[in-house]
Amino acid sequence: EPEVTQTPSHQVTQMGQEVILRCVPISNHLYFYWYRQILGQKVEFLVSFYNNEISEKSEIFDDQFSVERPDGSNFTLKIRSTKLEDSAMYFCASSEERENTFGSGTRLTVV
Amino acid sequence: QQQVKQSPQSLIVQKGGISIINCAYENTAFDYFPWYQQFPGKGPALLIAIRPDVSEKKEGRFTISFNKSAKQFSLHIMDSQPGDSATYFCAARVLRRNDMRFGAGTRLTVKP
Repeated sequence: EPEVTQTPSHQVTQMGQEVILRCVPISNHLYFYWYRQILGQKVEFLVSFYNNEISEKSEIFDDQFSVERPDGSNFTLKIRSTKLEDSAMYFCASSEERENTFGSGTRLTVV
Repeated sequence: QQQVKQSPQSLIVQKGGISIINCAYENTAFDYFPWYQQFPGKGPALLIAIRPDVSEKKEGRFTISFNKSAKQFSLHIMDSQPGDSATYFCAARVLRRNDMRFGAGTRLTVKP
């Protein structure tokens, strides 16, 4: 069964450093997403991406965040200057239309 | 208006019992209501979803009941099994938008 692949599974970074989280969506999907889940809390939408541009973004997705599809397969989330409160699980998802398929996530720990 | 409220926060059910999780929303523009199941260390996985033009959808032991006038929907898990122990999230999305709104989650424990 096709799946969304995320790397790395766990990343530790120092406060103020830039991080890039990587995702390989399902190959025939057209919509791509990033979500965040702070430990023990609900899943929060960050951004959706379609046709090589951001289609929606939440209030969480401020200027510190950016997304990119650098080639035909990867989809990345960059956090420019990490803060302690950015520590969370970050999930990538993709969809043909409505039904999101999620990856297993990257646990980001900012120290 | 964009929130989805989910209850209970946690639920303990005996094996073979019925698990019921409830969600309520305010935004009448929501038109797609999925339920996700999440195991520890994994991403949410779509369990079942419903559109507001039907009042009930059943897939195996899982049923969504939808009450459009009350703006509520619920997940029923029949014959609950220990393997169903997970966190369940309801969610909702607006027609022609891509930003899914999630409930706070329900941690279900099914005791053998």
